Amino acid sequence: AQTVTQSQPEMSVQEAETVTLSCTYDTSESDYYLFWYKQPPSRQMILVIRQEAYKQQNATENRFSVNFQKAAKSFSLKISDSQLGDAAMYFCAYPGLKGGSEKLVFGKGTKLTVNP
Amino acid sequence: DVKVTQSSRYLVKRTGEKVFLECVQDMDHENMFWYRQDPGLGLRLIYFSYDVKMKEKGDIPEGYSVSREKKERFSLILESASTNQTSMYLCASSLQVAFPNTDTQYFGPGTRLTVL
Repeated sequence: AQTVTQSQPEMSVQEAETVTLSCTYDTSESDYYLFWYKQPPSRQMILVIRQEAYKQQNATENRFSVNFQKAAKSFSLKISDSQLGDAAMYFCAYPGLKGGSEKLVFGKGTKLTVNP
Repeated sequence: DVKVTQSSRYLVKRTGEKVFLECVQDMDHENMFWYRQDPGLGLRLIYFSYDVKMKEKGDIPEGYSVSREKKERFSLILESASTNQTSMYLCASSLQVAFPNTDTQYFGPGTRLTVL
């Protein structure tokens, strides 16, 4: 079974600093996507960034970037110049492949606190 | 923008009651999902649907059923609510795309259900 592991239940960062959230996953597939979702307090979950496994280049979206290590099955999220609005639960997700279905398997989440 | 709405933000029910949670999306997405979110456990898939009247069990379907009579609407049913079903319920939708799963899931705001 596919699993996704986020080893940091909570993290904190000072405003304007950089923080990295870790994620590892288990798969026997070679072609897949990986996702980071953000869930602010009392707000809807939204996609932060996604990575295509067959691409060497790490995905980047403004202040958010990933460090994708395919051989190590590692997919960490780096947030640069942290802002107060970055405070949220962050979930790493991998498509659980079951007969071609599109369901996602989520990690347990990392709660990020941004200190002013 | 994709909009996923859920019928209630907060719901309080009594043990043994039949509970309906409604989800509607406005982007003609084929896939719809119901997740349960609990602290320390992340998101767990209850059921998903890839077409009208089609459904598949997720990881924790026991005690739940679903209905998808129209493409835009996906209902989660608790036949006889129990206290261990007190949780946050999230609905999501996504386009139907070919393998590998590349598409983003769009989430509703969630329904916090309390069963007394």
